[in-house]
Amino acid sequence: KAGVTQTPRYLIKTRGQQVTLSCSPISGHRSVSWYQQTPGQGLQFLFEYFSETQRNKGNFPGRFSGRQFSNSRSEMNVSTLELGDSALYLCASSLDQGETQYFGPGTRLLVL
Amino acid sequence: GEDVEQSLFLSVREGDSSVINCTYTDSSSTYLYWYKQEPGAGLQLLTYIFSNMDMKQDQRLTVLLNKKDKHLSLRIADTQTGDSAIYFCAEEDNQGGKLIFGQGTELSVKP
Repeated sequence: KAGVTQTPRYLIKTRGQQVTLSCSPISGHRSVSWYQQTPGQGLQFLFEYFSETQRNKGNFPGRFSGRQFSNSRSEMNVSTLELGDSALYLCASSLDQGETQYFGPGTRLLVL
Repeated sequence: GEDVEQSLFLSVREGDSSVINCTYTDSSSTYLYWYKQEPGAGLQLLTYIFSNMDMKQDQRLTVLLNKKDKHLSLRIADTQTGDSAIYFCAEEDNQGGKLIFGQGTELSVKP
């Protein structure tokens, strides 16, 4: 079974721009969670989607948003990028809440 | 709120055992997890333990759980240079879908 895939793997943007990251879960997994990883803050939860509905949200500003499609693929969007948004963005999929989460390779975003 | 704490660094010799420790705060967590992250990579699930278990063994990996003290440990037997990585313990938030991670322990294995 293919693992979690994320595109693109690397991205360079400038302040003020917006960015969209994509995540394709493991086949059959309906829950997708997103995390931000930075050296200073570590791994922080952004949000979780199941059946196209956001069920849980972390403590991030409204510039961070996401959505999930009917095939369980998910996207996250960051608008009005700031330097501090530079991070590794990780997506994880699971069958449902409470089930083991499997992570993708991440998208490394650099904001200049 | 929930919090997960780990020591930041551990250095061992090849062939020795490594023990990585973690403390957590949410006693309602059903599962506790160990993930491994190599440079430039995502998180690889190593193992997990159900909260009503005390111990789980999986090849070279042994997980010990002390629920009373909210202490979790990961023992790697016969540590190899390929085990050098950052190891994260995580608990699941009681709302579900959200993992709370420790800061990660950087394991350095010297030949």
